[in-house]
Amino acid sequence: SYELTQPPSVSVSPGQTASITCFGDKLGNKYASWYQQKAGQSPVLVIYQDKKRPSEIPERFSGSNSGNTATLTISGTQAVDEADYYCQAWDSSTALFGGGTKLTVL
Amino acid sequence: QVQLQESGPGLVKPAEPLSLTCTVSGGSTSSYYWSWIRQSPGKGLEWIGYIYYSGITNYNPSLKSRVTISVDTSKNQVSLKLNSVTAADTAVYFCASMGDCSATTCYGYLHHWGQGTLVTVSS
Repeated sequence: SYELTQPPSVSVSPGQTASITCFGDKLGNKYASWYQQKAGQSPVLVIYQDKKRPSEIPERFSGSNSGNTATLTISGTQAVDEADYYCQAWDSSTALFGGGTKLTVL
Repeated sequence: QVQLQESGPGLVKPAEPLSLTCTVSGGSTSSYYWSWIRQSPGKGLEWIGYIYYSGITNYNPSLKSRVTISVDTSKNQVSLKLNSVTAADTAVYFCASMGDCSATTCYGYLHHWGQGTLVTVSS
């Protein structure tokens, strides 16, 4: 079965760039979405169709998807960006999520 | 902006059905596809399935035999029923609107999410 693999954790210093990867076989042939989930809250869509950003999401969030890897990039990371991040794609008519990456801003 | 609110029993006994309702405001259930997603305590997200007002449904194969999703456009509500629950079904259940869908199917993103409701399966 198809799987999306994310690193369990990523750490970044404030003001630096954080990159969170999502690996899946030929993932670049599918659309990837990214969701941010802060502690005790519901997920929020931050990137869809690989690189599009909902209007309410800050410009520091960007996405790319090529080959087997989709990447969420947060430029100028702020403390408020500390959260769990999940990638999502479709395979065989089923929506799949990666296992999630905990982003720590320290 | 579309807002969603999940509701239902917080405690369900093993082997009984779990029933939840998602009430939509700021938008019509006739305008979007609607998904249910769950998250077991301390774990990741699992997509359960979706529905379109026309009756189109699509379920996660891992749950398909136990799941029914329905929509009541007159009440602007989407419902989830999961049969024969076990402790493994203990989770926070979310509903979400979907974007980038066609009239016949959806491979889109989960746009607006409800706050979620915790369901515990225990005797």
